[in-house]
Amino acid sequence: QVTLKESGPVLVKPTETLTLTCTVSGFSLSNARMGVSWIRQPPGKALEWLAHIFSNDEKSYSTSLKSRLTISKDTSKSQVVLTMTNMDPVDTATYYCARISLTAGGMDVWGQGTTVTVSS
Amino acid sequence: DIVMTQTPLSSPVTLGQPASISCRSSQSLVHSDGNTYLSWLQQRPGQPPRLLIYKISNRFSGVPDRFSGSGAGTDFTLKISRVEAEDVGVYYCTQATQFPLTFGQGTRLEIK
Repeated sequence: QVTLKESGPVLVKPTETLTLTCTVSGFSLSNARMGVSWIRQPPGKALEWLAHIFSNDEKSYSTSLKSRLTISKDTSKSQVVLTMTNMDPVDTATYYCARISLTAGGMDVWGQGTTVTVSS
Repeated sequence: DIVMTQTPLSSPVTLGQPASISCRSSQSLVHSDGNTYLSWLQQRPGQPPRLLIYKISNRFSGVPDRFSGSGAGTDFTLKISRVEAEDVGVYYCTQATQFPLTFGQGTRLEIK
């Protein structure tokens, strides 16, 4: 069974750096047919894609947020980490990680999400 | 970036009646490998999104056959043949043909 689980702080202060971890099971991050994306959703708003990491460690970032984002993975720990610098209240959202498989060509398995609030 | 535009943004539907959602992309979603990486997601209230349809018209595992997808190039449609109460939620189209990945604004399906 394929699962993804997000973890990280519930509350961060403005200007701080957010670090989120996605722990996966049921597949390997070294599988050439798999990759992991991070997506966020502010309260009551639409989904916003943030970043993706491929099995070969190639990365892709949101055009508007790329200066603030870093995605990385630790294959041995089955973890994908996203950092976002200089957090602002507008970054308050539920953050999801999702697997993208070449078979589906889309986000076929999602985590439950982790809610992050940015407030002083 | 590819812009995904959904219509309508809200769709009140009577139980048992059909529903249709359109999605238009700002450029062709045909990949150089010949595939079109257009998916539809469903997000029920309080839940994470889940994959319904991938590569335009393929139902994902466990998705009821009342859901169907169609389209080509830049114009795509999600249809529900007979809406059930459990279909309430927000539906998103999304493209994975080109990075950065993008989503539509979402269409809220509600029961009249």
